[in-house]
Amino acid sequence: DGGITQSPKYLFRKEGQNVTLSCEQNLNHDAMYWYRQDPGQGLRLIYYSQIVNDFQKGDIAEGYSVSREKKESFPLTVTSAQKNPTAFYLCASSALRQGTGTGELFFGEGSRLTVL
Amino acid sequence: GIQVEQSPPDLILQEGANSTLRCNFSDSVNNLQWFHQNPWGQLINLFYIPSGTKQNGRLSATTVATERYSLLYISSSQTTDSGVYFCAVGSGTASKLTFGTGTRLQVTL
Repeated sequence: DGGITQSPKYLFRKEGQNVTLSCEQNLNHDAMYWYRQDPGQGLRLIYYSQIVNDFQKGDIAEGYSVSREKKESFPLTVTSAQKNPTAFYLCASSALRQGTGTGELFFGEGSRLTVL
Repeated sequence: GIQVEQSPPDLILQEGANSTLRCNFSDSVNNLQWFHQNPWGQLINLFYIPSGTKQNGRLSATTVATERYSLLYISSSQTTDSGVYFCAVGSGTASKLTFGTGTRLQVTL
């Protein structure tokens, strides 16, 4: 099936530990994104990438890091520098449209991170 | 950056009722999308609609870009329509979207 796979779905972490969330897509999309969602809130952009080996900071990049070594993969590391990492993390991908940047955004099922 | 406001923040409907959700944005956009997030957190793309009107079954959307708003219509609502509806916008050639805070819809029997 074509789609976006995020893992793990649930993750518990102790304070001071780095964790890496996986995001893989087989839609052949150029662009990939990481969003954070807090309870009752909208989505905020962490990082995005339009091409392999290149990525840009979003609105809340502090305390996070990413890599884009393959077109299909865009892992997110939540570092110990992130002050409040407990949240729902959503990965998305899209084809790029000339003139408007992104086309339709498709999301994975999300990863819920809880810091104990 | 662009500000996105959605209204109403919460909406409770009886099954079979119709509703209109609104998305206002503060600047010109050339990208506008509507999403539905189900109670388990999954986000589904409903419409890519930077301008004009589209329909998909019981759902339709209209964007009036010159007046900086978009409307999502849900007709004959069903309990499976429950969840949060988000509007997201983008401008220029930037490939990132800014999301509104959503409208939480609950459809009751």
